[in-house]
Amino acid sequence: KAGVTQTPRYLIKTRGQQVTLSCSPISGHRSVSWYQQTPGQGLQFLFEYFSETQRNKGNFPGRFSGRQFSNSRSEMNVSTLELGDSALYLCASSSAGGDTEAFFGQGTRLTVV
Amino acid sequence: GENVEQHPSTLSVQEGDSAVIKCTYSDSASNYFPWYKQELGKRPQLIIDIRSNVGEKKDQRIAVTLNKTAKHFSLHITETQPEDSAVYFCAARSSSNTGKLIFGQGTTLQVKP
Repeated sequence: KAGVTQTPRYLIKTRGQQVTLSCSPISGHRSVSWYQQTPGQGLQFLFEYFSETQRNKGNFPGRFSGRQFSNSRSEMNVSTLELGDSALYLCASSSAGGDTEAFFGQGTRLTVV
Repeated sequence: GENVEQHPSTLSVQEGDSAVIKCTYSDSASNYFPWYKQELGKRPQLIIDIRSNVGEKKDQRIAVTLNKTAKHFSLHITETQPEDSAVYFCAARSSSNTGKLIFGQGTTLQVKP
């Protein structure tokens, strides 16, 4: 069974630009969650999608958005990039959430210059 | 709000010794507690998890204990090896219908040969 796949692995963007990251979950998994990982803040929850609906949202500004498609693949978008958005963005898939296991993708390393 | 506190932030042990990492959670509705190991430049990898209806779970050299009354859970690694060196994260997930994980700040474990 293929694992969680994130693309691209690395991105360099300029302040003010926007970026779209992609996450393909494990086959059969319907829940996709996104996390921002930085050295100072650790792993911070961004949002979760389940069956194409946003089920939960973290404390991030509206510049961060996402969506999920009917095949459970998810994208997150960051608009008007700021230097502080530089981070490793990880997605995790699980079959349903609750007490089911969550497996992470390798992440997208975003650098904003 | 939801919060997970993790201690210590760094831990150095000699090969063969035991290592213990402790976490405290705030949301009494939490019912799922996974532990992740993250090696440098790699994705967080699920190493063990425990559900709220269980007090202890063991998998070879790794064990996790849960005290729901005190809202504590701990990771125990016995007979540590240099390859155990990594950052370990605890997390908690609410029993509500969600995939959202709240993570501790991480523990950097160094196992000295």
